[in-house]
Amino acid sequence: DVKVTQSSRYLVKRTGEKVFLECVQDMDHENMFWYRQDPGLGLRLIYFSYDVKMKEKGDIPEGYSVSREKKERFSLILESASTNQTSMYLCASSLRGRGYTFGSGTRLTVV
Amino acid sequence: DQQVKQNSPSLSVQEGRISILNCDYTNSMFDYFLWYKKYPAEGPTFLISISSIKDKNEDGRFTVFLNKSAKHLSLHIVPSQPGDSAVYFCAASEADSSYKLIFGSGTRLLVRP
Repeated sequence: DVKVTQSSRYLVKRTGEKVFLECVQDMDHENMFWYRQDPGLGLRLIYFSYDVKMKEKGDIPEGYSVSREKKERFSLILESASTNQTSMYLCASSLRGRGYTFGSGTRLTVV
Repeated sequence: DQQVKQNSPSLSVQEGRISILNCDYTNSMFDYFLWYKKYPAEGPTFLISISSIKDKNEDGRFTVFLNKSAKHLSLHIVPSQPGDSAVYFCAASEADSSYKLIFGSGTRLLVRP
């Protein structure tokens, strides 16, 4: 069965910390995505990548960066965590668009 | 500006009845639409999709209808079951950037036993 694995289910970080969220897929998918989910706002795209070392900004990239050094791994980096980045973070991958496979999510709390 | 809108944040239906979840979109370039289901503390899972060349797609208890002229799609669940209680997200993509999905804000469905 195909899998997208996010390294942490729950994280608590302090304001100003640098935070790394890791995502690994075992499906040899080209495309990988980071979304955040907030009540009433749905899923909003932060960054995506369609190839190794390639990345594109989504709708809300401010305060975030990403890294994709290997095809199977896509990391989201919060350069200096702030309380407004408290959210559920979802990673997804797809082969050629259309259908995504999501990870279970990381609930990040910034205090 | 939201390109995909789900105007009902919540819906409650009786077990066995029909659930109808609605979604509107503004981008006429969208050519593929999907519904995802999400339980608490889990990632969304794919439910059903429809291409813009069709107006209906059915999969068991789930049917998606697409009205292109109205830029509206709906998900029908018949009969509804308590296990269907979840948040449902509508999503859409364009042919020229098909790897990027735009999601609605979600509708929380509660199916009462």
